[in-house]
Amino acid sequence: QKEVEQNSGPLSVPEGAIASLNCTYSDRGSQSFFWYRQYSGKSPELIMSIYSNGDKEDGRFTAQLNKASQYVSLLIRDSQPSDSATYLCAVTILFSGGYNKLIFGAGTRLAVHP
Amino acid sequence: KAGVTQTPRYLIKTRGQQVTLSCSPISGHRSVSWYQQTPGQGLQFLFEYFSETQRNKGNFPGRFSGRQFSNSRSEMNVSTLELGDSALYLCASSLEGLADLWNEQFFGPGTRLTVL
Repeated sequence: QKEVEQNSGPLSVPEGAIASLNCTYSDRGSQSFFWYRQYSGKSPELIMSIYSNGDKEDGRFTAQLNKASQYVSLLIRDSQPSDSATYLCAVTILFSGGYNKLIFGAGTRLAVHP
Repeated sequence: KAGVTQTPRYLIKTRGQQVTLSCSPISGHRSVSWYQQTPGQGLQFLFEYFSETQRNKGNFPGRFSGRQFSNSRSEMNVSTLELGDSALYLCASSLEGLADLWNEQFFGPGTRLTVL
């Protein structure tokens, strides 16, 4: 089982719709979760971080975390063609010795069509 | 505040050569992590440096090494290059690094390495 799993997509949504991106993780002890957006040929850009159960909203983005189900999601409201990118879920995995690693999912490709 | 910078942006090398990549973190950030991104394997953690010490290492061979200087700038070295080392190498900086579970990492633009 992969440590962080995402549906590779592509997820295709019409402009103005809500895009829902999902991510599951294997380590119950994980405590920090991040969503990055990566445009083709560019580096990942941090768009959301979430640490506690529930929802966190920032503009058109809402991150949702459910630690009991080991599930984190990202909702993008009023999707725009400029949102078309690969969205990477990243989870901090605890390692022995007190040092941690940030493990990335393979990413979900989102395509917003006019 | 200036972002993370990486140099060079593009590199072409041949098998057997070695390469050094450079990363300057955001001012005030003390942690630098390195990642390799390929279409097949995605983003994979190489190592993290904090206060000039390697704190954590991913599952990469010893050909991959790095260091961090007192000004937090970091370099990554790959010796005896193989074709499979062709990838986008990304560095990310954060204030306190991965030891702080709530630390956000910010990526540089990356160095695209092609090994022929």
